[in-house]
Amino acid sequence: AQKITQTQPGMFVQEKEAVTLDCTYDTSDPSYGLFWYKQPSSGEMIFLIYQGSYDQQNATEGRYSLNFQKARKSANLVISASQLGDSAMYFCAMRDSNAGNNRKLIWGLGTSLAVNP
Amino acid sequence: GAVVSQHPSWVICKSGTSVKIECRSLDFQATTMFWYRQFPKQSLMLMATSNEGSKATYEQGVEKDKFLINHASLTLSTLTVTSAHPEDSSFYICSAQARRGNYGYTFGSGTRLTVV
Repeated sequence: AQKITQTQPGMFVQEKEAVTLDCTYDTSDPSYGLFWYKQPSSGEMIFLIYQGSYDQQNATEGRYSLNFQKARKSANLVISASQLGDSAMYFCAMRDSNAGNNRKLIWGLGTSLAVNP
Repeated sequence: GAVVSQHPSWVICKSGTSVKIECRSLDFQATTMFWYRQFPKQSLMLMATSNEGSKATYEQGVEKDKFLINHASLTLSTLTVTSAHPEDSSFYICSAQARRGNYGYTFGSGTRLTVV
């Protein structure tokens, strides 16, 4: 069964420092997509970054980068130069490879990040 | 980019009444809409998946008669919580599959439902 695991319920980081949020996944399908979303206290889901299983390079989007280690089945999110506005819940998700499931997303439990001034 | 408008943002209703939540795709056709429920400090829980013009597919344990989903057009999907009770109080959020932007998933802004 496909699964996403986020083992860090909560993380703290000092402003301007970098932080890594862990995500491991389990799938037997060679084709898959991995997502990271940010959810501030307002509740909206903000798309951060995407990594396809066949992508040769790690995905980057501004201060966000994805440390994709395929053999380890990990897709850790790295946030550089943390800002106070980065305080939020962060979710890792994987697209269900089964087309019969409408390509739904499989979600991790999330990591609550607090950025300290 | 693809935008999904979700209304209302928050709603308070009395026990026994019904509440309708709307999600509209503003600039694209949403062939598939995912409806989630989220409790505080928890992850998103998929309730059902709706495809335009067909019946919704509900996840195991979700009461289809209580959570009515309609996806009558490519731009509108609705979730109606019927005969709401305090235990239905939660955050509900929709996500549409788009053919462009965000690698396929665009989320509404969510609805906080409080049943008193």
